[in-house]
Amino acid sequence: AQKITQTQPGMFVQEKEAVTLDCTYDTSDPSYGLFWYKQPSSGEMIFLIYQGSYDQQNATEGRYSLNFQKARKSANLVISASQLGDSAMYFCAMRVPRGNNFNKFYFGSGTKLNVKP
Amino acid sequence: GAGVSQSPRYKVAKRGQDVALRCDPISGHVSLFWYQQALGQGPEFLTYFQNEAQLDKSGLPSDRFFAERPEGSVSTLKIQRTQQEDSAVYLCASSLGPVKEAFFGQGTRLTVV
Repeated sequence: AQKITQTQPGMFVQEKEAVTLDCTYDTSDPSYGLFWYKQPSSGEMIFLIYQGSYDQQNATEGRYSLNFQKARKSANLVISASQLGDSAMYFCAMRVPRGNNFNKFYFGSGTKLNVKP
Repeated sequence: GAGVSQSPRYKVAKRGQDVALRCDPISGHVSLFWYQQALGQGPEFLTYFQNEAQLDKSGLPSDRFFAERPEGSVSTLKIQRTQQEDSAVYLCASSLGPVKEAFFGQGTRLTVV
């Protein structure tokens, strides 16, 4: 079974500091993709970053980086130099390309990040 | 358009009423998904289309839920005889292919009273 676990319901970070949002996943498939999405109060899910299971290097996108530890099955999101606009819900997701379920995204329960001025 | 567009943004339905939710994916995107997101939860998969073919509908909670994408572009999620437990945000997403990121619309917030 595919599963995504986010153990931090809420996080606080001071503006301009870095923060790590935790994500662990479970799959027996060797090929998969890991994603992070940001969901502000407006409701839209905004794609942030992607890591493929065969990628050798950790993904980075601007202030976002993904700390991919395959053996531990973790894919933590690191946000550097936090900004007030980073306050939102953050979802970790996994996509497993196999069989009839190959295009299903599995989402975690989310982490609500609050950036303090 | 530039992004995934969903309409209406908000819908209030009386219990027992039928509703239809529309999704306009990004032009050229083959894959289209519908997700249901309850308050404070992560999105839960409902159904998936590849072009006009509905390849996976395992997440549809009951036979009151029906989705279609007849020409491989616009999709409609229909809920018949709505019940209070159907109240949620319904998210539509599209992507170019099976291993690409999905781009989400702003969702339709359905409230059944």
